[in-house]
Amino acid sequence: EAGVAQSPRYKIIEKRQSVAFWCNPISGHATLYWYQQILGQGPKLLIQFQNNGVVDDSQLPKDRFSAERLKGVDSTLKIQPAKLEDSAVYLCASSPTGTSEQYFGPGTRLTVT
Amino acid sequence: DAKTTQPNSMESNEEEPVHLPCNHSTISGTDYIHWYRQLPSQGPEYVIHGLTSNVNNRMASLAIAEDRKSSTLILHRATLRDAAVYYCILRDRGRDDKIIFGKGTRLHILP
Repeated sequence: EAGVAQSPRYKIIEKRQSVAFWCNPISGHATLYWYQQILGQGPKLLIQFQNNGVVDDSQLPKDRFSAERLKGVDSTLKIQPAKLEDSAVYLCASSPTGTSEQYFGPGTRLTVT
Repeated sequence: DAKTTQPNSMESNEEEPVHLPCNHSTISGTDYIHWYRQLPSQGPEYVIHGLTSNVNNRMASLAIAEDRKSSTLILHRATLRDAAVYYCILRDRGRDDKIIFGKGTRLHILP
């Protein structure tokens, strides 16, 4: 079974530029999550989708971050404009309905200079 | 949100058992205890979870105290590949079902 795919794996941008990350969850998984992990800390949930609807985006900085999940499958997370403090690993995870496990992708490491 | 307390780091020798402790004194009756681990440069991976009874799977065992205020993740025979950050998480399936990660325990395995 293929795992959660993310791209790109690494991205370096200058502050005030825009960036987008892509996630392809495991086939059939209804729930999709985006996390931000700053160096030395645990992942922090940014947004949770159930199919293509948003369940929780309370921790998403909506002035600069946006996310969508078209057709309830792939998802993109965008930052516009980026700040230095956005440097982190952005993790995508998915889970099937009715289970406790979340399956994480390898993450995208973003460096903002 | 109910919180967990874990040691920042632990060391263990290869091929020996490892006991990773977690305190969760404010756990509620509907909170499940979950463990995830994160290997270097990878996303977290699910290890095990339980509610009241001890649990075993192919990766580890979870021992839950009778009062549920603490639990221990047991790796029966540590290998170098078990070096990772281990997160103990409380998750209320009856409420918002969020996973809130703390800083976890960084486990070092000595050859």
